[in-house]
Amino acid sequence: SQQGEEDPQALSIQEGENATMNCSYKTSINNLQWYRQNSGRGLVHLILIRSNEREKHSGRLRVTLDTSKKSSSLLITASRAADTASYFCATTIIQGAQKLVFGQGTRLTINP
Amino acid sequence: DAGVIQSPRHEVTEMGQEVTLRCKPISGHNSLFWYRQTMMRGLELLIYFNNNVPIDDSGMPEDRFSAKMPNASFSTLKIQPSEPRDSAVYFCASRTGLANTGELFFGEGSRLTVL
Repeated sequence: SQQGEEDPQALSIQEGENATMNCSYKTSINNLQWYRQNSGRGLVHLILIRSNEREKHSGRLRVTLDTSKKSSSLLITASRAADTASYFCATTIIQGAQKLVFGQGTRLTINP
Repeated sequence: DAGVIQSPRHEVTEMGQEVTLRCKPISGHNSLFWYRQTMMRGLELLIYFNNNVPIDDSGMPEDRFSAKMPNASFSTLKIQPSEPRDSAVYFCASRTGLANTGELFFGEGSRLTVL
């Protein structure tokens, strides 16, 4: 079974609005990463947050991590049509093993 | 840097045929991962290597699948014999081998269709 579960599975908003995606996971983690995938392309790393961090920013991206609830959120502010993609969270779950396990993803559509 | 290079980008084959997918990781990266992506199962980790040595192959679905990394700049994923349920996009990714951290750099994937 997947370690990470994204919510919602699909999200459609208007350009300029903020988009929030959530990720829940099951076991203790060392870090959590968010990736983006455009249709027909490979995944691209967006941001990494460590288990001892609670919030991180990168440009229009804001990531939060709540280890007590085993959840994370990705906020994209002032969305653009070019943000249309699938977004995945990924967790490193076993210390020293370096396995990166992905969730099912959220498909985000930004309407012009 | 050219990034992670995968070939072929698309492969259509018939059931029972052997399929070989290839990957060239980014120079200097010593960890390499093979993932499979389908609509039903999402992204599944098949196997990963560290310094050319397979570390965890628990995700390899069956004996029909095998992966090798003969040197730091090349890896193959082989399916023999192939079946229609193997149809998927197969991704190779690499990164530096820092323990528990580090972004993965993905190739563009090999889309496999088994008829």
